[in-house]
Amino acid sequence: EVQLLESGGGLVQPGGSLRLSCAASGFTFSSSAMSWGRQAPGKGLEWVSVITASGANTFYADSVKGRFTISRDNSKNTLFVQMNSLRADDTAVYYCAKEVLAADMEWGQGTLVTVSS
Amino acid sequence: DVVMTQSPLSLPVTLGQPASISCRSSQSLVYSDGNTYLNWFQQRPGQSPRRLIYKVSNRDSGVPERFSGSGSGTDFTLKISRVEAEDVGVYYCMQGTHWPWTFGQGTKLEIK
Repeated sequence: EVQLLESGGGLVQPGGSLRLSCAASGFTFSSSAMSWGRQAPGKGLEWVSVITASGANTFYADSVKGRFTISRDNSKNTLFVQMNSLRADDTAVYYCAKEVLAADMEWGQGTLVTVSS
Repeated sequence: DVVMTQSPLSLPVTLGQPASISCRSSQSLVYSDGNTYLNWFQQRPGQSPRRLIYKVSNRDSGVPERFSGSGSGTDFTLKISRVEAEDVGVYYCMQGTHWPWTFGQGTKLEIK
């Protein structure tokens, strides 16, 4: 069974940093493109970042470019996103997802990030 | 960025009746590999989103046959042949052809 378990969310002050993790199991992680998406409270969905299976290529939404860094450790089946210079509008539930465009997409239950003083 | 426009934004439906949601993109979603990366997601109240349809018309595993997707180019449709109570929620189209991937605004389906 595919499992994606996000962690690392919480309350952070504006300007602060957080590192989210997504522990993956039940599939060949090193062969799967992975993504982070988010949903602000009561709002729609937004893709934040994508990383290819090898980690060689990464993509970012303009809203997070220069502040967020996606990465992965294929030896530990874990996806990360380092979030710096956090702003109030980064407040959201963050989801990790595998293979968004392919037949075998899955995503996790999400972790809540709240940016507030 | 590619703008995804859904209609209607609110969809009251009688149980057992059909429902249809339209999604239009601001540019063609045909990718250079010939595929059209148009997905449909369902988000039930209080739950994480769930993908229903990928590449326009392919149902995800476990998705009931009453859900179907169609369309091409810039115009796409999600149809529910007979709405059931468990279909209540918000439906989003999403394009994965052009980065950044973008979602429609969402269509809230409710039972009349």
